[in-house]
Amino acid sequence: AQKVTQAQTEISVVEKEDVTLDCVYETRDTTYYLFWYKQPPSGELVFLIRRNSFDEQNEISGRYSWNFQKSTSSFNFTITASQVVDSAVYFCALSEHNTNAGKSTFGDGTTLTVKP
Amino acid sequence: GAVVSQHPSRVICKSGTSVKIECRSLDFQATTMFWYRQFPKQSLMLMATSNEGSKATYEQGVEKDKFLINHASLTLSTLTVTSAHPEDSSFYICSARDHGTGRGEQYFGPGTRLTVT
Repeated sequence: AQKVTQAQTEISVVEKEDVTLDCVYETRDTTYYLFWYKQPPSGELVFLIRRNSFDEQNEISGRYSWNFQKSTSSFNFTITASQVVDSAVYFCALSEHNTNAGKSTFGDGTTLTVKP
Repeated sequence: GAVVSQHPSRVICKSGTSVKIECRSLDFQATTMFWYRQFPKQSLMLMATSNEGSKATYEQGVEKDKFLINHASLTLSTLTVTSAHPEDSSFYICSARDHGTGRGEQYFGPGTRLTVT
């Protein structure tokens, strides 16, 4: 069975601080996808990144960066120089390619509060 | 990128009535769509997998007679909450899988907030 663990329930930082959101996953599939989504107070899920299991390259997009390590089954997300607008709930999700018809399992989410 | 729409975005209904929520893939075909439910301050929980042209697959604990799913075309799935009760009040989110890309890409709709009074 697939499982996603986001151990950090809530994180509070001051603007301009860097912050890392942790995500650990479990899966038996060799082919799978990992995602990060942002959910602002409006409720809509905002897609941030998708990474497939064969691509362990870390990625940077502006102030966002992701560290994917298969050896530790982790897919951590770092926001550099955080801003108040980054305040939201962030979800990590896993989708297995071959089993479970591709449905996604979500972590419990990490609520990030960035204070001015 | 691909777009998934949901309608309505917000609905308030009285206890005992039924509510239909639509999920549409606007620029791609989706043989598979998923329905999630999210209670306040909680994660998204998969309710069911909607398959075009066949019966939906429900997750354990989800009442199929209460949450009717119809995937009538490659771009539309509907979720009907029958005989709604206040405990059904929740945020319902659908997603559609773009089989055309072959990458397991899922696109989420903006969600429907249901309040049952």
